[in-house]
Amino acid sequence: GAGVSQSPSNKVTEKGKDVELRCDPISGHTALYWYRQRLGQGLEFLIYFQGNSAPDKSGLPSDRFSAERTGESVSTLTIQRTQQEDSAVYLCASSPDRAKYRGYTFGSGTRLTVV
Amino acid sequence: GDSVTQMEGPVTLSEEAFLTINCTYTATGYPSLFWYVQYPGEGLQLLLKATKADDKGSNKGFEATYRKETTSFHLEKGSVQVSDSAVYFCALSDLTGNNRKLIWGLGTSLAVNP
Repeated sequence: GAGVSQSPSNKVTEKGKDVELRCDPISGHTALYWYRQRLGQGLEFLIYFQGNSAPDKSGLPSDRFSAERTGESVSTLTIQRTQQEDSAVYLCASSPDRAKYRGYTFGSGTRLTVV
Repeated sequence: GDSVTQMEGPVTLSEEAFLTINCTYTATGYPSLFWYVQYPGEGLQLLLKATKADDKGSNKGFEATYRKETTSFHLEKGSVQVSDSAVYFCALSDLTGNNRKLIWGLGTSLAVNP
């Protein structure tokens, strides 16, 4: 597609429920990132996928968080047993392979509210 | 580890005023540096970038110069407009490991009044 597409754009869920967030990267972009932006804070790295390599999961805050990506296509970020501190905007970004200098293209994010 | 420090906001200016948003960094090696902008209700967009020392990134009237000696990448614009009201993020690319993730500042909110 023309840009990075994320869905849903907004999600309100009850504490303890599981949620699944989706990211559809730009076609041909092999690198995909998930970030979290809490209110009033900077972006927090969560996970990185590069082609078929093992993902870098070093930013995932707990084992309630997981993400998958099949090949170079759609990625899903799953949060199990959501907590109120999970409320944030979850941003997905993609970039061409090893595009160290090109920056990243971000989606519009999913605003997650846990009540 | 690598880090980015931005001046705190919010910054409030009148239209046509001069803008500077300070950004300094700590990093091993020679990272690439970026400014991203987030307009109200929109996603993050790359504003400009610089890949090596003394490079100047520019876009939409904004400029930033990669200063290795002061480890800075300050964002400037000579005459701001109301439409520049947004949150601005400074970031560097992490060169450790193999994942190219970005290290972010906390963002600086800019409000431009007519």
